[in-house]
Amino acid sequence: AQSVSQHNHHVILSEAASLELGCNYSYGGTVNLFWYVQYPGQHLQLLLKYFSGDPLVKGIKGFEAEFIKSKFSFNLRKPSVQWSDTAEYFCAVKGSNTGNQFYFGTGTSLTVIP
Amino acid sequence: DTAVSQTPKYLVTQMGNDKSIKCEQNLGHDTMYWYKQDSKKFLKIMFSYNNKELIINETVPNRFSPKSPDKAHLNLHINSLELGDSAVYFCASSQNRKISPLHFGNGTRLTVT
Repeated sequence: AQSVSQHNHHVILSEAASLELGCNYSYGGTVNLFWYVQYPGQHLQLLLKYFSGDPLVKGIKGFEAEFIKSKFSFNLRKPSVQWSDTAEYFCAVKGSNTGNQFYFGTGTSLTVIP
Repeated sequence: DTAVSQTPKYLVTQMGNDKSIKCEQNLGHDTMYWYKQDSKKFLKIMFSYNNKELIINETVPNRFSPKSPDKAHLNLHINSLELGDSAVYFCASSQNRKISPLHFGNGTRLTVT
């Protein structure tokens, strides 16, 4: 079945540690990839997106993600996390064979300890 | 100048009632969506709708129905509410182009007692 997988469900890091959150998808065809962040009690906000071109995309707040087509992956990274990065992170896919629909992974809860 | 706004923010109601959640977007987008986020934060697409077609997630009970008076609005009506309907419901919109991301509303926390 087509899906978006985020294997890290809960991640706890100390401030200044490096972050990498995994995202794998199983949709065929051309895909557009997104990472969204949801701060406690808030709505989802776009962190970054990939449509084409350079597979390494940079987003807001120092986040970046790398699209590796051969691995069907779009992992999110940040070299040094801050306490304010504590949030839920969602990977999403919109593909040529998903119509207008966006499909989300199950989310990764990140807690950054000061 | 909120881009996607939904009301109410909180909704507490009893089982069996019928309720509606309203959503409006001022981005000029042509596609709107409803998502349900459960207590484990899992996001599930319920509906997507543009001028031309309504796509319904087949797992959504028919007690849920989207109503769109115009392309800037997509309201969610729920009949005969059940305890399991308790969740946060997010409205979102996008332009029907590959390069357009989703823009979310602030969510409506529905609690069914």
